[in-house]
Parts: sequence; C-alpha cells; structure tokens
Amino acid sequence: NAGVTQTPKFQVLKTGQSMTLQCAQDMNHEYMSWYRQDPGMGLRLIHYSVGAGITDQGEVPNGYNVSRSTTEDFPLRLLSAAPSQTSVYFCASSSDPESYEQYFGPGTRLTVT
Amino acid sequence: GENVEQHPSTLSVQEGDSAVIKCTYSDSASNYFPWYKQELGKGPQLIIDIRSNVGEKKDQRIAVTLNKTAKHFSLHITETQPEDSAVYFCAAPRGDYKLSFGAGTTVTVRA
Repeated sequence: NAGVTQTPKFQVLKTGQSMTLQCAQDMNHEYMSWYRQDPGMGLRLIHYSVGAGITDQGEVPNGYNVSRSTTEDFPLRLLSAAPSQTSVYFCASSSDPESYEQYFGPGTRLTVT
Repeated sequence: GENVEQHPSTLSVQEGDSAVIKCTYSDSASNYFPWYKQELGKGPQLIIDIRSNVGEKKDQRIAVTLNKTAKHFSLHITETQPEDSAVYFCAAPRGDYKLSFGAGTTVTVRA
C-alpha cells in the first residue's frame, strides 16, 4: 500500500491564482482531513470528510474548498491564493474517526508571493 | 473547543539522557491523548497514545503519563538516540472526528 499520497510536493503561486492540492489514500479509510502547519502553531484543521459526499469545516476553512466524490480522493482547492496561505499542507486519513489515529501524507509546501 | 498547550517549544538533550515534553488540555471530557513524531520533510506519525482509563503506557524507550485531575499528559523518552531528533506533537480530541494539536516541540539529541 502507498498509504496517503499528496501532489505536488512543492508549489509557488502568485497572489490571486487558484490551484488544487491532491490527496489520495489506498487504505479504504472513510475519514479524511486537511491540515496546515505553520511555525509555532502546530497543525490546524482546514476541512474534513467522514465519507464520500460529506464534508465539513475545521478551524481555519476560509479561502479553501473541498469535495469528496470518492472514498480515495480528497482534493483541497485554493480559490484565490493569498500570502497568508503560505504554509505546509498535510492530508490525513483514518479508518475509524473515534479511534482518532490518523495517517498523514508527506505534505505539500506552498509559497504564495 | 479543546485547547492544547505544549512545552517546551525546543529541547536539546545529550545522547543517552532523558527528554520530557508536557501538554495541558482544557476539556475534562477528553479521553484520548496521542503523540505524533514528525521527522524532517515528512508527515507526522503516531508513536504512542493513551486513553483516560490508564495513567501510564510504555513502549520500549517511550512512555506517556496522564494526570486527569491536573489535565496534563507527558511524553518521556529515555536513553535518547540521534534518531529521536524530530518535532513531537501532542493532541487531544476536539469533538467528533477531530483532534487539536499542540504547537510542537523540536527535540535535538546531541552526540
């Protein structure tokens, strides 16, 4: 199993541009989530999904959209990139949300200039 | 929602010494406390967790202790080795399906 995969690994955007960060998992996990990691702030939840067709907001959802059309994929869309969205983004999945153990992808480092 | 505070933010130890990281949480109903390790350029990985019905859990050189009365839990690494150098995050449940993470501790093991 590849686990949780993320693409791209690095990305540079100009302010106002849009893009989609891809996330896929091959473990048949129902629960998937997106976090951003900033220095001194730990991991903050952006959006999450408890199954195909179901998404909800986390702590910092503004400026981001998600969809979950399949169990495997959970893309994160930046609608109009801003410098404040410069961060490292992690996708995670879990087989049982109530167990709370999450499997993280390798991350995408995004810079917005 | 749950608020998790983690200390210290950085920790430098001599190889072979012990390292201790402490976290406090705010929601007395929280019942699950994981610790994640993040190596450079990688995503966090679960290394140990504890549920509120036990006070201590060990796995080789790492252990986690929980004090429900004081609402804090700690990660203990004994006989530290260079491969223990990483960023460590504690977390606690934040309602259904979600975790709140601490700000992280960068551990450096000096040879």
